[in-house]
Amino acid sequence: DTAVSQTPKYLVTQMGNDKSIKCEQNLGHDTMYWYKQDSKKFLKIMFSYNNKELIINETVPNRFSPKSPDKAHLNLHINSLELGDSAVYFCASSQGPGQYFGPGTRLTVT
Amino acid sequence: QKEVEQDPGPLSVPEGAIVSLNCTYSNSAFQYFMWYRQYSRKGPELLMYTYSSGNKEDGRFTAQVDKSSKYISLFIRDSQPSDSATYLCAMTVMNNAGNMLTFGGGTRLMVKP
Repeated sequence: DTAVSQTPKYLVTQMGNDKSIKCEQNLGHDTMYWYKQDSKKFLKIMFSYNNKELIINETVPNRFSPKSPDKAHLNLHINSLELGDSAVYFCASSQGPGQYFGPGTRLTVT
Repeated sequence: QKEVEQDPGPLSVPEGAIVSLNCTYSNSAFQYFMWYRQYSRKGPELLMYTYSSGNKEDGRFTAQVDKSSKYISLFIRDSQPSDSATYLCAMTVMNNAGNMLTFGGGTRLMVKP
């Protein structure tokens, strides 16, 4: 069974559209995260979320919003997509220091 | 200057060689130090993590942390072609809301048969 899963794996859309990426973890972890990996492979934290607190990286535009229906899911909603949003988005979860990553969603904005 | 610096490589070694991968960092508050392996078009895979200074060994992998020098290393013994991947170091300060990892840019490793 996949520990951290994401859907879709690939997402191609046009500028200005709104899209969502889903993430689910079956590890029973309390905290989930979203990371963005740019074309130079640099991974950067976007959000950290548990059932008590959302921490937002101050560099993340407010067009991005995480939504958590329950402890095992953290979805990423993106409004008014821009060309610069093209990247690979990774979901992760943790119970301690080590984080476990999903397979990624490759977003292409045209 | 980035908080965590890592030589991007590529680092090319023959099969069986000992590989040394390194990161330097500037934030002395970092408590946990991790190494991830990322194959092409896959998610990062946690190899191991250490707390504060010292060594940790797991099979062919050894992680070292020198907080006084703000320098961490990952050694791979008896390297195999299957070790060919990008290796990412990451660091964090634990808090009540979990932890937000700060990554290095990754070192691409190629192990040739």
